[in-house]
Amino acid sequence: AQSVTQPDIHITVSEGASLELRCNYSYGATPYLFWYVQSPGQGLQLLLKYFSGDTLVQGIKGFEAEFKRSQSSFNLRKPSVHWSDAAEYFCAVGDLGDYKLSFGAGTTVTVRA
Amino acid sequence: DADVTQTPRNRITKTGKRIMLECSQTKGHDRMYWYRQDPGLGLRLIYYSFDVKDINKGEISDGYSVSRQAQAKFSLSLESAIPNQTALYFCATSDLLDTQYFGPGTRLTVL
Repeated sequence: AQSVTQPDIHITVSEGASLELRCNYSYGATPYLFWYVQSPGQGLQLLLKYFSGDTLVQGIKGFEAEFKRSQSSFNLRKPSVHWSDAAEYFCAVGDLGDYKLSFGAGTTVTVRA
Repeated sequence: DADVTQTPRNRITKTGKRIMLECSQTKGHDRMYWYRQDPGLGLRLIYYSFDVKDINKGEISDGYSVSRQAQAKFSLSLESAIPNQTALYFCATSDLLDTQYFGPGTRLTVL
């Protein structure tokens, strides 16, 4: 069964600084990988996804993520954080045959002025 | 209009009461899901449905039941609510590439 670990429960970053959120997965085959963002009081919004091909994936809101098979990782990055990026971020892994996603516990990002 | 809607958005109920959470979608997807979110635990799958006649238990289905009334509607019921079912509940749909689209959530409090 697949599983996802997000090692950082909470990250605080200054506005304008770079951000990196870690995600490690456990899965036997090539996974489908996702990053979702949940703003306070909102549902989950898809930031980006990786299925195959280029291992560097661009998403919405200036986010990108890199799939590294050797490290079983799919870390999310943003070069310059805006105050509106304060939210909770979830990494998820799935496979086409299973049609289900497994989510990490989430990382809460606080942006300070 | 939102693609995935959930009603109610907030609900407070008492232990032992039956409660139903409803989900509707306009995305035309066959697959629908119910999750609960608890702080520090992420999202956990309760039930999922691949079409009207196909319903499957997720990892935490005990104490819950579901009904798929139509392709667009998927309801979650708590037959006899208990306090540890206090959580944020999300409905989602997915397309053929497993991308899931979430509703805004229902915050349920069981007293």
